[in-house]
Amino acid sequence: GQNIDQPTEMTATEGAIVQINCTYQTSGFNGLFWYQQHAGEAPTFLSYNVLDGLEEKGRFSSFLSRSKGYSYLLLKELQMKDSASYLCAVRDLNDYKLSFGAGTTVTVRA
Amino acid sequence: ETGVTQTPRHLVMGMTNKKSLKCEQHLGHNAMYWYKQSAKKPLELMFVYSLEERVENNSVPSRFSPECPNSSHLFLHLHTLQPEDSALYLCASSHSTGFNEQFFGPGTRLTVL
Repeated sequence: GQNIDQPTEMTATEGAIVQINCTYQTSGFNGLFWYQQHAGEAPTFLSYNVLDGLEEKGRFSSFLSRSKGYSYLLLKELQMKDSASYLCAVRDLNDYKLSFGAGTTVTVRA
Repeated sequence: ETGVTQTPRHLVMGMTNKKSLKCEQHLGHNAMYWYKQSAKKPLELMFVYSLEERVENNSVPSRFSPECPNSSHLFLHLHTLQPEDSALYLCASSHSTGFNEQFFGPGTRLTVL
């Protein structure tokens, strides 16, 4: 099984940078995902890491260290619309099973 | 819009009722999933279907009964639920069970009285 930890809440100012950490303990590992979920809406895919290192997609970047069981999602140039819950999920060796963390609620203030 | 729709969006039911949740995906995917999302808790995988065959039943109580008549439609039949079953039920699909990205529907907010 998977044990996935991420902070419950974070607050940041518009234009700033926020880093959301995720640690995991797994019996098997086949990739880590980040999803964004606005209140009352579907989670939407942000990023996927399977190798160590940084993946950058515009204002969002995701980092993975498999040896440390650690990932972070970096949100740059924060906008009000980035206020949402960010879900970290790990896929095990059986491919289709995603285990999710409880999510980090990010609030962006003006 | 993610290409995955769910109906109804909100449902209130008594413990003796029978109701069904419906999910439809317009993406040509072969795998579909049911998740339960409770407040402040992680998403919990309930069922996985690949090419209309169930490949995973994650120790879910029998009062939840899934049905996948074809690769585009997925149902969750509900019977004699408990108040603790109140949650957001999310449907998702992916190209295959091994594919990276899962596309989620908006969910059905279920309240059991």
